Amino acid sequence: QKEVEQDPGPLSVPEGAIVSLNCTYSNSAFQYFMWYRQYSRKGPELLMYTYSSGNKEDGRFTAQVDKSSKYISLFIRDSQPSDSATYLCAMSEWQGKLIFGQGTELSVKP
Amino acid sequence: SQTIHQWPATLVQPVGSPLSLECTVEGTSNPNLYWYRQAAGRGLQLLFYSVGIGQISSEVPQNLSASRPQDRQFILSSKKLLLSDSGFYLCAWSYVIQDSYEQYFGPGTRLTVT
Repeated sequence: QKEVEQDPGPLSVPEGAIVSLNCTYSNSAFQYFMWYRQYSRKGPELLMYTYSSGNKEDGRFTAQVDKSSKYISLFIRDSQPSDSATYLCAMSEWQGKLIFGQGTELSVKP
Repeated sequence: SQTIHQWPATLVQPVGSPLSLECTVEGTSNPNLYWYRQAAGRGLQLLFYSVGIGQISSEVPQNLSASRPQDRQFILSSKKLLLSDSGFYLCAWSYVIQDSYEQYFGPGTRLTVT
């Protein structure tokens, strides 16, 4: 079993839809959770960072962490074609060593 | 503000040739530095990380090596490339501050071994 599981998609939604992206994990020691956005042939860009459980909101993006279920989510409201990218979850139990999900490819259609 | 550079952006090398990829960070001192590889359609695999000059930890046994000759410079090398070394190589850095665990990535180097 992989430490971090993420549905690779692809996920296609119409513009304006609410997008839900998810990851599950097996290591209960993970405390630091991140979401990255990666455009084709580019380096990943940090979107959201959350410590332990709870929610964090930044503009159209909301990150949720449920440590009891070992489940994290990223919600994108009012999705735009510019949101089309691959979204990677990542998590860590100590500073530096991130474990990444496989990434979910998202396409937002105008 | 901090900036991370990688070069070259793309590279095509024959099997058995040497490799040298360079990464530099500007605007911060004593960062943690990382090398990742991303195969097509897959997540990122940590190859090496460094917490200081000359301090390198390897995560995956392979024919690659890393060096950190200066505080903000990280180099990935190989003496003889294999076909399986093809991929997208990403350098990242993070603050060395308590409770700060975010990592920031460079633009990457796309390596094709032929």
